[in-house]
Amino acid sequence: KNEVEQSPQNLTAQEGEFITINCSYSVGISALHWLQQHPGGGIVSLFMLSSGKKKHGRLIATINIQEKHSSLHITASHPRDSAVYICAVPYNTDKLIFGTGTRLQVFP
Amino acid sequence: KAGVTQTPRYLIKTRGQQVTLSCSPISGHRSVSWYQQTPGQGLQFLFEYFSETQRNKGNFPGRFSGRQFSNSRSEMNVSTLELGDSALYLCASSLLWGEYNEQFFGPGTRLTVL
Repeated sequence: KNEVEQSPQNLTAQEGEFITINCSYSVGISALHWLQQHPGGGIVSLFMLSSGKKKHGRLIATINIQEKHSSLHITASHPRDSAVYICAVPYNTDKLIFGTGTRLQVFP
Repeated sequence: KAGVTQTPRYLIKTRGQQVTLSCSPISGHRSVSWYQQTPGQGLQFLFEYFSETQRNKGNFPGRFSGRQFSNSRSEMNVSTLELGDSALYLCASSLLWGEYNEQFFGPGTRLTVL
């Protein structure tokens, strides 16, 4: 069993739809990262959160430390949101353990 | 403020050769971590450095090594390259060392081993 699991693995949506990506982890953590990777490889850090909820533009991330679960929501999705979304948890200081990623495609 | 830079961006080597990849962190950041990304294994942690000391190491053979300089720049080296070393190598920098430090990723070096 992977220590960090994401669902779904693939997601397609029509422009404007509300999107949710889930992340569950089995290791004890103090914070969780959500990352975005576009074709070509570059990774952008979207959020790092240790409790509650964070919002940045159309992106919202929530975390429940007790249930070991986090969600990334995208409101009013747009084709430029098409990317791979990865959750990662730090284990033993800066060592990150990554989920397998969710490939999102948003069609106009 | 400039982001994390990695050089070279692309590299082609043959089996048995060795390679050195470079990472310059964001100015002021003192921690650098290295990751390998392959289609089969996804993203995996290689090692992390803080204040020129390796603080943590992933489950990779000894052919993979690294170091950090006094200006926080870091290099990783892979000796005796194998076909399976073909991957995207990413480095990330953070201000300090610890679980609460957000990591900022570079664009990666895409290594192809023929």
